[in-house]
Amino acid sequence: NAGVTQTPKFQVLKTGQSMTLQCAQDMNHEYMSWYRQDPGMGLRLIHYSVGAGITDQGEVPNGYNVSRSTTEDFPLRLLSAAPSQTSVYFCASSRAGFSENIQYFGAGTRLSVL
Amino acid sequence: ELKVEQNPLFLSMQEGKNYTIYCNYSTTSDRLYWYRQDPGKSLESLFVLLSNGAVKQEGRLMASLDTKARLSTLHITAAVHDLSATYFCAVDDAGGTSYGKLTFGQGTILTVHP
Repeated sequence: NAGVTQTPKFQVLKTGQSMTLQCAQDMNHEYMSWYRQDPGMGLRLIHYSVGAGITDQGEVPNGYNVSRSTTEDFPLRLLSAAPSQTSVYFCASSRAGFSENIQYFGAGTRLSVL
Repeated sequence: ELKVEQNPLFLSMQEGKNYTIYCNYSTTSDRLYWYRQDPGKSLESLFVLLSNGAVKQEGRLMASLDTKARLSTLHITAAVHDLSATYFCAVDDAGGTSYGKLTFGQGTILTVHP
């Protein structure tokens, strides 16, 4: 049971390049989310999904796209990378219908945009 | 807009001492979470607090929730070096049905010295 798996672990991009951060979970969780972590700011929600085919914006969605074609996968796309997107990105998943609804986090992707 | 504030942001403690981290949030919420993050690692769930007056304890850590004051505390008893980490509180702002949308505090960097 792998939990939440993120790839790649590290990535360096040039300004203007595009890329996709991958996130997969094997717990059959309905809810999945993407956060970015910047020093002194905690984690901020980028996009989230409540099930396959359903996504919505979080606090800082600009510059990012998501889609969710399956329950397991929730990729995050950077359309045209900017230095301001240098950050650590975490994917999380949780199960619907439980009062505690604990979110389980992946190991993170450390992204640098030059 | 839901805001979550932690204090202190930096905490340097001697082994064996007690201290408390505070987490204030701005709007009504049904769930409050505490997470731990070791340097360069992912987030690990510590506690989920669901109701006013809830108290949970695990080892040297005890978390409590006062929904009327919109305040949660994380109390550390007789600190040991292994507790050195960053601690986040997070609030579920979905107002009843959680969709995996968490708003995080800035984090408290705890360092325990011998």
